[in-house]
Amino acid sequence: NAGVTQTPKFQVLKTGQSMTLQCAQDMNHNSMYWYRQDPGMGLRLIYYSASEGTTDKGEVPNGYNVSRLNKREFSLRLESAAPSQTSVYFCASSGSQGSLYGYTFGSGTRLTVV
Amino acid sequence: GQQLNQSPQSMFIQEGEDVSMNCTSSSIFNTWLWYKQDPGEGPVLLIALYKAGELTSNGRLTAQFGITRKDSFLNISASIPSDVGIYFCAGQNYGGSQGNLIFGKGTKLSVKP
Repeated sequence: NAGVTQTPKFQVLKTGQSMTLQCAQDMNHNSMYWYRQDPGMGLRLIYYSASEGTTDKGEVPNGYNVSRLNKREFSLRLESAAPSQTSVYFCASSGSQGSLYGYTFGSGTRLTVV
Repeated sequence: GQQLNQSPQSMFIQEGEDVSMNCTSSSIFNTWLWYKQDPGEGPVLLIALYKAGELTSNGRLTAQFGITRKDSFLNISASIPSDVGIYFCAGQNYGGSQGNLIFGKGTKLSVKP
């Protein structure tokens, strides 16, 4: 009963390094999302994929890219990490973009950029 | 874009106390949801509300969809230590990107020292 799986759980990067955060869901959901969570800022949408083959920018897309690899997987890439990208990143999925049943979240990736 | 104001930002609870928090918006939503985030975990859905005026319970939690469709309330009765965490409200509309959830900034519940 995995739900949404994120890897890695923790990561420390040096400024300028690149990395990809991985997300996979096993609920046959169509829509997937990437959020970042910072103290006092709540959850801010970075990118989303309403369905396989589509991706769109959210509220804070700068410095990130995404790939919807297939229906199950949605990855988030930092090409050149900056200290301002230190955050906790959450992946989520839903049956559809307008699903009435909310999102299922992964347990997060804690990223520190030094 | 739409923004949600969630209050209070934080509060301390003593075991057995009732807790109330709310979320307001400048525009209407068709769905309101409440999530809880335990330390080190992702948010988990507690209650979903689909109709203005609706009152829904989940154990000791009760949430209401405001009659104006611009607000929602969450009450926790007889709090226990495992209630600590961050509670998020979220609003949703229908159609395209409007179907994306808009989250409040959270209410952090901690135990009184």
